[in-house]
Amino acid sequence: GIQVEQSPPDLILQEGANSTLRCNFSDSVNNLQWFHQNPWGQLINLFYIPSGTKQNGRLSATTVATERYSLLYISSSQTTDSGVYFCAVRIRTLGRLYFGRGTQLTVWP
Amino acid sequence: SAVISQKPSRDICQRGTSLTIQCQVDSQVTMMFWYRQQPGQSLTLIATANQGSEATYESGFVIDKFPISRPNLTFSTLTVSNMSPEDSSIYLCSAPRGQGTEAFFGQGTRLTVV
Repeated sequence: GIQVEQSPPDLILQEGANSTLRCNFSDSVNNLQWFHQNPWGQLINLFYIPSGTKQNGRLSATTVATERYSLLYISSSQTTDSGVYFCAVRIRTLGRLYFGRGTQLTVWP
Repeated sequence: SAVISQKPSRDICQRGTSLTIQCQVDSQVTMMFWYRQQPGQSLTLIATANQGSEATYESGFVIDKFPISRPNLTFSTLTVSNMSPEDSSIYLCSAPRGQGTEAFFGQGTRLTVV
């Protein structure tokens, strides 16, 4: 199956810092999503971004499908940004998602 | 955005018992998915649930252990049978929604088996 690799696995920041999370995937995809998992285990949809660039407040994402990678940018990080960030891809319309291992982000005040 | 309601949100169960998790979607969807997330790990697909047919299980998961029902296009259940402490995980249901087929998840069920 398709391989999804996320980096870095762990990231520790001070409040106010910026960060970039990366997701590489091994094959063509028709969907790529970024999620934030909160401490209660709930997956929050951040971006649905099979290609191009999107922004939502302090977060933005870019997917370069031809080069098989996506980046998630977090600016002016806050303690509430802490948690695990997952990248997931889909190779068939309406099919299952393949998840990376996630990036554990910790933001200190 | 889609609304997927999953319950229970958490439970503590005795080994040897079974727990049924329910997932309700606010509109009709063709496919629903059940994932497991073991402590500190990523999400692993258990099975795909299609309405009116048997669920399709991934390697390492069997129907006797994780029976799934899909009685209509908005509802599905996953049962974790004959539980052991190794079944302690977060279980999540998911469905693609909207024209762009963005995937949404229920709130998750945090299961602890003692």
